[in-house]
Formats: sequence, structure tokens, C-alpha cells
Amino acid sequence: DTAVSQTPKYLVTQMGNDKSIKCEQNLGHDTMYWYKQDSKKFLKIMFSYNNKELIINETVPNRFSPKSPDKAHLNLHINSLELGDSAVYFCASSQGDRANYGYTFGSGTRLTVV
Amino acid sequence: SQKIEQNSEALNIQEGKTATLTCNYTNYSPAYLQWYRQDPGRGPVFLLLIRENEKEKRKERLKVTFDTTLKQSLFHITASQPADSATYLCALGGGNQFYFGTGTSLTVIP
Repeated sequence: DTAVSQTPKYLVTQMGNDKSIKCEQNLGHDTMYWYKQDSKKFLKIMFSYNNKELIINETVPNRFSPKSPDKAHLNLHINSLELGDSAVYFCASSQGDRANYGYTFGSGTRLTVV
Repeated sequence: SQKIEQNSEALNIQEGKTATLTCNYTNYSPAYLQWYRQDPGRGPVFLLLIRENEKEKRKERLKVTFDTTLKQSLFHITASQPADSATYLCALGGGNQFYFGTGTSLTVIP
């Protein structure tokens, strides 16, 4: 199936831990994103990579570090997790500036920090 | 900074009626406006895009309008069905970056 897939789907961890979320797309898109959706369903961009290069880095704590080993993968590593990091994290991809096709989102990773 | 507001958090309508959702924005002049559908536990799914120089776009039972003077988009679902029940998000921007509204939860009552 062509899609954006992210793992894990659920992640429960204690404060202070370090965790990673992985994302892969097989759509051939050249741009990938991480979005955070809070409890009020507000979806906010965190990072964007185009062909492995960081192009958008919104105001995100530096505990969050994206890594893109190739244009099909964009992983998110979070250090020293805090309670406020609890949210659903979505990976997405798009074909450059061909906004006609919108973003393709993964199914999300629900992170709960306890 | 840009501000995007969707008309209400929740909207209930009877099956067969037309649902109309509103997206208003300020402090921004987007090149494009997109609409997405999000079901519980899933990621948003792209529905339609409309450009700043387009007034209206249609796709099957969906219609989107874009008024850059009013800074508003209307999203219509005609002949609504219970399967249309979901949260609908608008997103404004251009190129690789879009900003999302908080969504409107639509429930179509049989």
C-alpha cells in the first residue's frame, strides 16, 4: 500500500525519558513534515524537510530533533520528555510545492508522558 | 501572527441537508486554502484545494468558496449522509507550509 506509515501508534513513557518516533513514506514525495496535535485538536507544524534538508523549524524546544536519513524517512527524537509533550504526533508528506494534492498524513502516534 | 477560526466546534444536521462549515482568517494572505477530513484516531485526509484567484471549487458533493476580501472560506457538503460525520479542518498557506484551523466536528443525524 502506498502511504505514510509511522511507528509506534501508541507510546507511554515516564518524564525524563528519551524516545523516538519513526516515519516512512513510499509515495515518492520530496517533502516531509512533523505536526503536533494537542488535546483541543489544534494541528501545528513542527518541522519540514525537503530532500533531507531542514526547511521549516517552528518554535520547538531543542529537546525535539528531527532526522532524515533519506527523503523517504523522517524520524523524530525527543529528549527529556515532559508532561506537556503529551499529544498526537503526525508525520506527513507532500510533493514539493504541488499543493494541489495536499498533504498525506500518517495515522499518528499518541504520546503519553506520565 | 496569522489566526484561523472555524465557525463552531460542533455542528449537527439532519441527513439529506446541506452542511456549511466556515473558516475565517486574519493577519494573513494565503495563496491556497485546503480542506481536510479527520476521523477519530486517524490522520487528516486531503479533500480539496482552492487558490486565491479562484472563487469556487467543486468535487462530487463538496463545494468550497474562497473570498479573499472577507478572508473567509465556506465548505459545503450537499445531500449529507451519516458517513460524512467527522471533523473538518481548513488549512491556509502556500508552497510547503500550511497553518491549520482547530476544526469543526460535524454530525449528520439519520
